[in-house]
Amino acid sequence: EAQVTQNPRYLITVTGKKLTVTCSQNMNHEYMSWYRQDPGLGLRQIYYSMNVEVTDKGDVPEGYKVSRKEKRNFPLILESPSPNQTSLYFCASSYTRHINQPQHFGDGTRLSIL
Amino acid sequence: KQEVTQIPAALSVPEGENLVLNCSFTDSAIYNLQWFRQDPGKGLTSLLLIQSSQREQTSGRLNASLDKSSGRSTLYIAASQPGDSATYLCAVPTSGTYKYIFGTGTRLKVLA
Repeated sequence: EAQVTQNPRYLITVTGKKLTVTCSQNMNHEYMSWYRQDPGLGLRQIYYSMNVEVTDKGDVPEGYKVSRKEKRNFPLILESPSPNQTSLYFCASSYTRHINQPQHFGDGTRLSIL
Repeated sequence: KQEVTQIPAALSVPEGENLVLNCSFTDSAIYNLQWFRQDPGKGLTSLLLIQSSQREQTSGRLNASLDKSSGRSTLYIAASQPGDSATYLCAVPTSGTYKYIFGTGTRLKVLA
C-alpha cells in the first residue's frame, strides 16, 4: 500500500531535549516536505526537499533541521525544542518530474513541548 | 507574497444539499491549485488538482473550478452526505518554487 509513515504519532517532551520525527514514503517520490498545523494559522511549510541531498526552507524553518540522505526518508530534527514548537506536524511527498502532481500526506505527529 | 483565504471558516448544511466552498489567492501566477480533505486526527487526502491551464476538474460528486484572473477556486459538492463532514483545504505552490501555501480551511458538517 502506497503510504507516508510518520513516527511517533504522539510525543510529549520537555524544553531543550533533542528529538527527531521520522518520515518515510514507499512511492519512490522525489519531493518530500514538512508542515506544521496550528489553530487559526493553517498549515505552514517548514522545509522541503526536491531530491536526495537537496533541501530548502519553507515559510517557518526557524528551530528545525532536516536531512535527506535517502530518497525514502526525510526526518525532522528539533535540536532544542521550545514550547512554541508544540504543534501538529505533517510530512508529505510527491513526484517532481512535473509540479502538477498531488501531494500525499502522513497521518501526522502531535508534539507537545513542556 | 501569496496569500490563500477560505471563506466561510465553518459551514453546516442538511444532508442532500449542494454546496460550494470558496478559495481565494492573491497571486494569479500559479502552476496549479489542489483541494484536500482532512478528517479529525488524520492527515490530508488529495481530492482534486487543477492545473493552471484547466478550468475545472471533476471526481464523482466533487467539481473544482479555477479562475486564475480573479484569483478564485470553488469546490462544488453535490448531494452532500454526512460522510462528507470534514475540513476542506486548498493549496497553491508559490510561483517559481515548490513552496506550498495553504488556506486555513472550511470545516463542513453535513447533518443527517
